[in-house]
Amino acid sequence: SSELTQDPAVSVALGQTVRITCQGDSLRSYYASWYQQKAGQAPVVVVNGKNNRPSGIPDRFSGSSSGNTASLTITVAQAEDEADYYCNSRDSSGNQLFGGGTKLTVL
Amino acid sequence: EVQLVQSGVEVKKPGESLKISCKASGFSFANYYIAWVRQMPGRGLEWMGIIYPGDAETRYSPSFQGQVTISADKSTKTVYLLWSSLKASDTATYYCARHLSNVVGTNWFDPWGQGTLVTVSS
Repeated sequence: SSELTQDPAVSVALGQTVRITCQGDSLRSYYASWYQQKAGQAPVVVVNGKNNRPSGIPDRFSGSSSGNTASLTITVAQAEDEADYYCNSRDSSGNQLFGGGTKLTVL
Repeated sequence: EVQLVQSGVEVKKPGESLKISCKASGFSFANYYIAWVRQMPGRGLEWMGIIYPGDAETRYSPSFQGQVTISADKSTKTVYLLWSSLKASDTATYYCARHLSNVVGTNWFDPWGQGTLVTVSS
């Protein structure tokens, strides 16, 4: 199916590591990109492709992929990482897909 | 600086028409795809469609085909999103974003505009 599925909510203790996952058939063929959206702000790309971080994105953000699952890992989570995270890929027709989003709470 | 600047807040009534805009600067406008993304209140991101200003090629999500029109003006480096007859369910924040891709088929959106809040209410 042409869908990307994310857990609605995840929490992590300050300074710990958290993995946010995204599942979908299209991920067997295409890498995912990941976006961070803080309250009231536009999304910002934090990882694109296999594991590429745009300039200015801290190296505690990393991406990986296996089979039909893409993952965004945040190591040494900071309070400012609390946000909604969305994965994005494409389907075989070239249409863009977004996951439903994961709300990350930093405890 | 590469940026996209969107038009301001809109408050409209059902049945009215609306065109919102997204002005690009800092990159070669004609050579990049620009997308529109909807975010309904408290909900996730939805890809609406995309345009290549160089030749005005457009592609719409099946969910939005026939509901909106995407256009571009190369002379002003501006992309537009048009509704001919708004519905209450069109209430949302709309983002434009530059679409990028690489040789292995990865794509991503960067940068994003600041968003345009559209409220449709009688």
